[in-house]
Amino acid sequence: AAGVIQSPRHLIKEKRETATLKCYPIPRHDTVYWYQQGPGQDPQFLISFYEKMQSDKGSIPDRFSAQQFSDYHSELNMSSLELGDSALYFCASSLVAAVETQYFGPGTRLLVL
Amino acid sequence: AQTVTQSQPEMSVQEAETVTLSCTYDTSESDYYLFWYKQPPSRQMILVIRQEAYKQQNATENRFSVNFQKAAKSFSLKISDSQLGDAAMYFCAYRTPSGSARQLTFGSGTQLTVLP
Repeated sequence: AAGVIQSPRHLIKEKRETATLKCYPIPRHDTVYWYQQGPGQDPQFLISFYEKMQSDKGSIPDRFSAQQFSDYHSELNMSSLELGDSALYFCASSLVAAVETQYFGPGTRLLVL
Repeated sequence: AQTVTQSQPEMSVQEAETVTLSCTYDTSESDYYLFWYKQPPSRQMILVIRQEAYKQQNATENRFSVNFQKAAKSFSLKISDSQLGDAAMYFCAYRTPSGSARQLTFGSGTQLTVLP
């Protein structure tokens, strides 16, 4: 079965640079979630989209923005990167339904030097 | 705000034995969903099992089962016949069923070691 695809899988950036993370949800899934997992931490919710509209916002810094496109893929844009942004960034997708289980992609490992 | 607590940072189990991981949560909602996710060294987040709060019957998936105590707000995971491949970080997670806030709230995780 098709899974959530994230690219790139690994990314190294310098401080103050910009990064773009991409997420391709499972086909026919209409909701995308972004999570950030720091070293030794549990995943923290950043932002979500339903049918290409932002549906909820968590602890996402103002330096970050995201959107969902007409083909349902999503991009997380991160500007003015800081050392503390080094983390594993997960995208998860789901289909709005009774249970609506979120299925996670493999994550993008971002290292800011 | 909902909170999820996993009080066991680390657990170990002998291969083929049974282990139970604990999770408690705090919510004022009456309807919600609970999940256990597994994160092996590859760091992929893998769904293990889910439970709807309105269902009294405990969920079971092969060697994995839960003990859901709604009144006590407890949601433990039992792994039977533990295998080496079960070694991972296990996260308990909570989600409301409706409205815009469908994101998962995770516990801090329990690192499970399986001893050969």
